[in-house]
Amino acid sequence: DIQMTQSPSSLSASVGGRVTITCRASQSITNYLNWYQQKPGNAPKLLIYAASSLQSGVPSRFSGSGSGTDFTLTISSLQPEDFATYYCQQTYSIPPTFGQGTKVEVK
Amino acid sequence: QVQVVQSGAEVKKPGASVKVSCKASGYTFTTYYIHWVRQAPGQGLEWMGKVNPSGGSTSYAQKFQGRVTMTRDTSTSTVYMELTSLRSEDTAVYYCARDLRNSDCLGYWGQGTLVTVSS
Repeated sequence: DIQMTQSPSSLSASVGGRVTITCRASQSITNYLNWYQQKPGNAPKLLIYAASSLQSGVPSRFSGSGSGTDFTLTISSLQPEDFATYYCQQTYSIPPTFGQGTKVEVK
Repeated sequence: QVQVVQSGAEVKKPGASVKVSCKASGYTFTTYYIHWVRQAPGQGLEWMGKVNPSGGSTSYAQKFQGRVTMTRDTSTSTVYMELTSLRSEDTAVYYCARDLRNSDCLGYWGQGTLVTVSS
Protein backbone atom coordinates (compact mmCIF):
# COMPACT_ATOMS: atom_id res chain seq x y z
CA ASP A 1 0.00 0.00 0.00
CA ILE A 2 1.13 3.57 -0.65
CA GLN A 3 1.87 5.45 2.58
CA MET A 4 0.81 9.08 2.87
CA THR A 5 2.55 11.29 5.40
CA GLN A 6 1.23 14.73 6.31
CA SER A 7 3.10 17.49 8.08
CA PRO A 8 2.65 19.03 10.45
CA SER A 9 0.24 16.89 12.50
CA SER A 10 -1.18 20.07 13.97
CA LEU A 11 -0.66 23.79 13.70
CA SER A 12 -1.92 27.00 15.25
CA ALA A 13 -2.82 29.91 13.02
CA SER A 14 -4.61 33.23 13.19
CA VAL A 15 -7.65 34.36 11.25
CA GLY A 16 -6.40 36.00 8.08
CA GLY A 17 -3.16 34.06 8.13
CA ARG A 18 -1.74 31.81 5.45
CA VAL A 19 -1.62 28.07 6.10
CA THR A 20 0.34 25.42 4.21
CA ILE A 21 -0.04 21.69 4.79
CA THR A 22 2.28 19.17 3.16
CA CYS A 23 1.52 15.61 2.08
CA ARG A 24 4.21 13.18 0.91
CA ALA A 25 3.59 9.86 -0.82
CA SER A 26 5.85 6.81 -0.39
CA GLN A 27 6.06 6.52 -4.20
CA SER A 28 5.07 8.62 -7.17
CA ILE A 29 1.32 9.07 -7.51
CA THR A 30 1.51 11.60 -10.39
CA ASN A 31 -1.43 13.91 -9.59
CA TYR A 32 -3.81 11.36 -8.03
CA LEU A 33 -4.11 13.35 -4.82
CA ASN A 34 -7.20 14.73 -3.09
CA TRP A 35 -7.71 16.92 -0.04
CA TYR A 36 -10.59 16.74 2.45
CA GLN A 37 -11.71 18.92 5.34
CA GLN A 38 -13.39 17.44 8.41
CA LYS A 39 -15.00 19.34 11.25
CA PRO A 40 -15.79 17.63 14.57
CA GLY A 41 -18.88 15.48 14.39
CA ASN A 42 -19.18 15.87 10.62
CA ALA A 43 -18.32 13.81 7.58
CA PRO A 44 -15.27 14.81 5.55
CA LYS A 45 -15.79 17.23 2.69
CA LEU A 46 -13.90 17.17 -0.60
CA LEU A 47 -11.91 20.37 -1.19
CA ILE A 48 -9.39 19.61 -3.93
CA TYR A 49 -9.14 16.73 -6.40
CA ALA A 50 -6.46 15.75 -8.89
CA ALA A 51 -3.93 17.71 -6.82
CA SER A 52 -5.09 21.18 -7.89
CA SER A 53 -8.71 21.18 -9.05
CA LEU A 54 -11.11 23.02 -6.77
CA GLN A 55 -14.31 21.12 -6.00
CA SER A 56 -17.48 22.99 -6.87
CA GLY A 57 -18.60 25.34 -4.13
CA VAL A 58 -15.25 25.42 -2.31
CA PRO A 59 -13.91 28.94 -1.67
CA SER A 60 -11.01 30.06 -3.83
CA ARG A 61 -8.80 30.70 -0.78
CA PHE A 62 -8.15 26.94 -0.89
CA SER A 63 -5.59 25.76 -3.41
CA GLY A 64 -3.56 22.64 -4.05
CA SER A 65 -0.31 21.99 -5.84
CA GLY A 66 2.30 19.33 -6.44
CA SER A 67 2.93 16.18 -8.40
CA GLY A 68 4.90 12.97 -8.04
CA THR A 69 5.43 12.51 -4.31
CA ASP A 70 5.11 16.00 -2.78
CA PHE A 71 1.91 18.00 -2.48
CA THR A 72 0.65 21.05 -0.61
CA LEU A 73 -2.69 22.43 0.45
CA THR A 74 -2.70 26.18 0.99
CA ILE A 75 -5.32 28.33 2.65
CA SER A 76 -4.49 31.88 1.60
CA SER A 77 -6.46 33.76 4.27
CA LEU A 78 -7.72 31.59 7.10
CA GLN A 79 -11.34 32.12 8.06
CA PRO A 80 -13.05 31.10 11.34
CA GLU A 81 -14.89 28.27 9.56
CA ASP A 82 -11.59 26.79 8.31
CA PHE A 83 -10.51 25.49 11.72
CA ALA A 84 -10.75 21.76 11.13
CA THR A 85 -8.72 18.65 10.35
CA TYR A 86 -7.42 18.18 6.81
CA TYR A 87 -6.64 14.87 5.15
CA CYS A 88 -4.86 14.04 1.92
CA GLN A 89 -5.76 10.87 -0.02
CA GLN A 90 -4.01 9.11 -2.88
CA THR A 91 -6.06 7.39 -5.54
CA TYR A 92 -3.17 6.22 -7.72
CA SER A 93 -3.57 2.63 -6.62
CA ILE A 94 -5.93 0.43 -4.66
CA PRO A 95 -6.38 0.69 -1.73
CA PRO A 96 -6.81 4.46 -1.69
CA THR A 97 -4.96 5.61 1.42
CA PHE A 98 -5.21 8.71 3.57
CA GLY A 99 -2.69 10.79 5.43
CA GLN A 100 -2.98 10.85 9.22
CA GLY A 101 -4.52 14.31 9.21
CA THR A 102 -3.46 17.85 10.09
CA LYS A 103 -5.45 19.69 12.73
CA VAL A 104 -5.64 23.47 12.23
CA GLU A 105 -6.33 25.25 15.50
CA VAL A 106 -6.86 28.83 16.58
CA LYS A 107 -3.76 30.73 17.63
CA GLN B 1 -28.81 17.68 -5.66
CA VAL B 2 -26.82 14.61 -4.73
CA GLN B 3 -27.73 13.17 -1.33
CA VAL B 4 -26.39 10.15 0.51
CA VAL B 5 -28.29 9.13 3.64
CA GLN B 6 -27.20 6.37 5.98
CA SER B 7 -29.03 4.22 8.51
CA GLY B 8 -28.89 4.90 12.20
CA ALA B 9 -26.48 3.98 14.98
CA GLU B 10 -26.00 0.37 16.00
CA VAL B 11 -24.80 -1.38 19.14
CA LYS B 12 -23.54 -4.91 18.69
CA LYS B 13 -21.91 -7.58 20.82
CA PRO B 14 -18.52 -9.06 19.92
CA GLY B 15 -18.89 -11.79 17.32
CA ALA B 16 -22.08 -10.36 15.87
CA SER B 17 -22.62 -8.80 12.45
CA VAL B 18 -23.82 -5.36 11.42
CA LYS B 19 -25.41 -4.19 8.19
CA VAL B 20 -25.39 -0.49 7.38
CA SER B 21 -27.42 1.01 4.55
CA CYS B 22 -26.69 4.00 2.35
CA LYS B 23 -29.45 5.48 0.16
CA ALA B 24 -28.43 7.70 -2.73
CA SER B 25 -30.53 10.22 -4.60
CA GLY B 26 -30.26 13.17 -6.95
CA TYR B 27 -28.42 11.35 -9.76
CA THR B 28 -28.51 8.11 -11.75
CA PHE B 29 -27.65 5.52 -9.12
CA THR B 30 -25.85 3.09 -11.44
CA THR B 31 -23.40 5.67 -12.78
CA TYR B 32 -20.97 6.10 -9.87
CA TYR B 33 -19.19 3.82 -7.43
CA ILE B 34 -20.08 3.94 -3.74
CA HIS B 35 -17.27 3.60 -1.20
CA TRP B 36 -17.16 2.79 2.50
CA VAL B 37 -14.70 4.49 4.85
CA ARG B 38 -14.50 4.12 8.61
CA GLN B 39 -13.10 6.29 11.39
CA ALA B 40 -12.36 4.93 14.84
CA PRO B 41 -12.80 7.36 17.75
CA GLY B 42 -10.16 10.08 17.58
CA GLN B 43 -8.45 8.40 14.62
CA GLY B 44 -8.03 8.96 10.89
CA LEU B 45 -9.86 7.69 7.83
CA GLU B 46 -9.63 4.09 6.63
CA TRP B 47 -10.92 2.92 3.24
CA MET B 48 -12.80 -0.36 3.41
CA GLY B 49 -13.93 -0.96 -0.15
CA LYS B 50 -16.25 0.03 -2.97
CA VAL B 51 -19.13 -1.33 -4.98
CA ASN B 52 -20.14 -0.67 -8.55
CA PRO B 53 -23.91 -0.11 -8.42
CA SER B 54 -24.19 -0.95 -12.12
CA GLY B 55 -23.12 -4.58 -11.99
CA GLY B 56 -22.52 -5.12 -8.30
CA SER B 57 -18.78 -5.79 -8.60
CA THR B 58 -16.75 -5.01 -5.53
CA SER B 59 -13.21 -4.24 -4.40
CA TYR B 60 -12.27 -4.63 -0.75
CA ALA B 61 -9.26 -3.60 1.29
CA GLN B 62 -7.21 -6.67 2.12
CA LYS B 63 -7.67 -5.98 5.83
CA PHE B 64 -11.41 -6.62 5.54
CA GLN B 65 -11.41 -9.45 2.99
CA GLY B 66 -13.55 -12.29 4.26
CA ARG B 67 -15.37 -10.13 6.81
CA VAL B 68 -17.02 -7.45 4.69
CA THR B 69 -19.67 -7.68 2.01
CA MET B 70 -20.93 -4.73 0.00
CA THR B 71 -24.13 -5.09 -2.01
CA ARG B 72 -26.59 -2.87 -3.79
CA ASP B 73 -30.30 -2.76 -4.53
CA THR B 74 -30.93 -0.79 -7.71
CA SER B 75 -34.70 -0.74 -7.12
CA THR B 76 -34.21 1.46 -4.05
CA SER B 77 -30.86 3.10 -4.95
CA THR B 78 -29.39 1.69 -1.76
CA VAL B 79 -25.99 0.21 -0.99
CA TYR B 80 -25.34 -2.03 1.99
CA MET B 81 -22.17 -2.81 3.93
CA GLU B 82 -22.16 -5.87 6.18
CA LEU B 83 -19.28 -6.52 8.56
CA THR B 84 -19.14 -9.84 10.40
CA SER B 85 -17.27 -11.24 13.40
CA LEU B 86 -17.28 -7.85 15.08
CA ARG B 87 -14.68 -7.03 17.72
CA SER B 88 -14.19 -4.00 19.92
CA GLU B 89 -11.67 -2.55 17.45
CA ASP B 90 -14.50 -2.25 14.91
CA THR B 91 -16.13 0.46 17.00
CA ALA B 92 -16.12 3.41 14.61
CA VAL B 93 -18.16 5.78 12.51
CA TYR B 94 -18.81 4.18 9.14
CA TYR B 95 -19.26 6.49 6.17
CA CYS B 96 -20.48 5.78 2.68
CA ALA B 97 -19.46 8.17 -0.05
CA ARG B 98 -20.29 8.54 -3.72
CA ASP B 99 -17.38 8.66 -6.10
CA LEU B 100 -16.92 12.02 -7.78
CA ARG B 101 -16.03 10.69 -11.26
CA ASN B 102 -15.28 6.98 -10.75
CA SER B 103 -11.73 7.96 -9.86
CA ASP B 104 -11.84 6.84 -6.19
CA CYS B 105 -12.22 10.49 -5.19
CA LEU B 106 -15.00 10.77 -2.61
CA GLY B 107 -17.21 13.63 -3.66
CA TYR B 108 -20.41 13.17 -1.66
CA TRP B 109 -20.49 11.73 1.84
CA GLY B 110 -23.21 10.30 4.01
CA GLN B 111 -23.66 11.59 7.54
CA GLY B 112 -21.97 8.57 9.08
CA THR B 113 -23.23 5.65 11.16
CA LEU B 114 -21.76 4.95 14.60
CA VAL B 115 -21.27 1.25 15.22
CA THR B 116 -20.40 0.40 18.80
CA VAL B 117 -19.13 -3.09 19.61
CA SER B 118 -19.38 -3.83 23.30
CA SER B 119 -20.22 -6.74 25.52
